Amino acid sequence: ETGVTQSPTHLIKTRGQQVTLRCSSQSGHNTVSWYQQALGQGPQFIFQYYREEENGRGNFPPRFSGLQFPNYSSELNVNALELDDSALYLCASSLYSSETQYFGPGTRLLVL
Amino acid sequence: GENVEQHPSTLSVQEGDSAVIKCTYSDSASNYFPWYKQELGKRPQLIIDIRSNVGEKKDQRIAVTLNKTAKHFSLHITETQPEDSAVYFCAATTNKNTGNQFYFGTGTSLTVIP
Repeated sequence: ETGVTQSPTHLIKTRGQQVTLRCSSQSGHNTVSWYQQALGQGPQFIFQYYREEENGRGNFPPRFSGLQFPNYSSELNVNALELDDSALYLCASSLYSSETQYFGPGTRLLVL
Repeated sequence: GENVEQHPSTLSVQEGDSAVIKCTYSDSASNYFPWYKQELGKRPQLIIDIRSNVGEKKDQRIAVTLNKTAKHFSLHITETQPEDSAVYFCAATTNKNTGNQFYFGTGTSLTVIP
């Protein structure tokens, strides 16, 4: 059984740029959720994708968007990057949308 | 929306003692409450979870209790060991017509002193 993986591990961008982060769900899982974790804080829910459809969204602006592919892997896209977007971005997969989530190692994004 | 509060923010205990971390939530529709352990620079790892139809769950040295009426749930770690040192997060899950919502507490940094 393969765990949740994310790429890249680290990324540096400048303000105003766009970024795409990727997540491969654990084998057999059809749901992916994305979180933003600022330093010293708890993860903040961005959105969830279940069977390629958005299935819940947190309090994030529309410049945060996502996709889920037929193999259940997922992308998080952030447009018009701001300095406050610097954080650890975590994805988590689950067997179904309400089931236990298992986290990936995260992508650390630094916006300069 | 939901609001999850977690206390204390830091906790130090002697090895072998017990540790208790408490969380409160505001949305009575929340129905799933996981606890995660996050070591420095690593991913959050699920340590125990509880659903709203259960009042208590135990797994070896770790237990979670849920009081739906008071809207609070607690993590109990007995016989603490130095490797229990980490940041612990509680979370609450709410299922809405528009989809799921997941809310995390602000974390408790637990230090177990040998």
